[in-house]
Amino acid sequence: GESVGLHLPTLSVQEGDNSIINCAYSNSASDYFIWYKQESGKGPQFIIDIRSNMDKRQGQRVTVLLNKTVKHLSLQIAATQPGDSAVYFCAEIFLGGNQFYFGTGTSLTVIP
Amino acid sequence: DGGITQSPKYLFRKEGQNVTLSCEQNLNHDAMYWYRQDPGQGLRLIYYSQIVNDFQKGDIAEGYSVSREKKESFPLTVTSAQKNPTAFYLCASSIERDYGYTFGSGTRLTVV
Repeated sequence: GESVGLHLPTLSVQEGDNSIINCAYSNSASDYFIWYKQESGKGPQFIIDIRSNMDKRQGQRVTVLLNKTVKHLSLQIAATQPGDSAVYFCAEIFLGGNQFYFGTGTSLTVIP
Repeated sequence: DGGITQSPKYLFRKEGQNVTLSCEQNLNHDAMYWYRQDPGQGLRLIYYSQIVNDFQKGDIAEGYSVSREKKESFPLTVTSAQKNPTAFYLCASSIERDYGYTFGSGTRLTVV
């Protein structure tokens, strides 16, 4: 899950299993949220986003769930593949305050 | 293909030297950003620019400088005043402030 400390949370899953990566956000007024995937030595890549007026959004093999009551965001990856191994982090965006915050990320390792 | 290019990929700096990191985009994006990424930490905003000839300090601007003379270019100078410059630097651009980020592939700066 999400951490504000110096240690990156890690998650290891078997190839073919589903992965769930969590993120806690801080601003209940945030307008939308984005999940990024970052492979080692590369820039972050957009995966999926969700507006604050939605609870769920699905993409290809990925689903993002938003629970505004507890300020929690999750990314579900179906049938995880070795190519999914990367650091995943969420971003919360509050347009009114020009605020864009990135979480520290979770390192996902897929075991073949 | 449109995209955002950072160069160099790796950069070594002697203590006391200024170095400049390049960021070029051909996406016709108005806004550009510089982030710093340290191990186990989220992205931290150094500077951002919403339009040519205008830029604003982010959360950790001390020891850095930028310019935005052209829409396509947003170079970052790491000055000798930055006491701990070793990090991974990411440039990003977006259509408008804080929406639809595209990231570059990053520059890893090491002080030797």
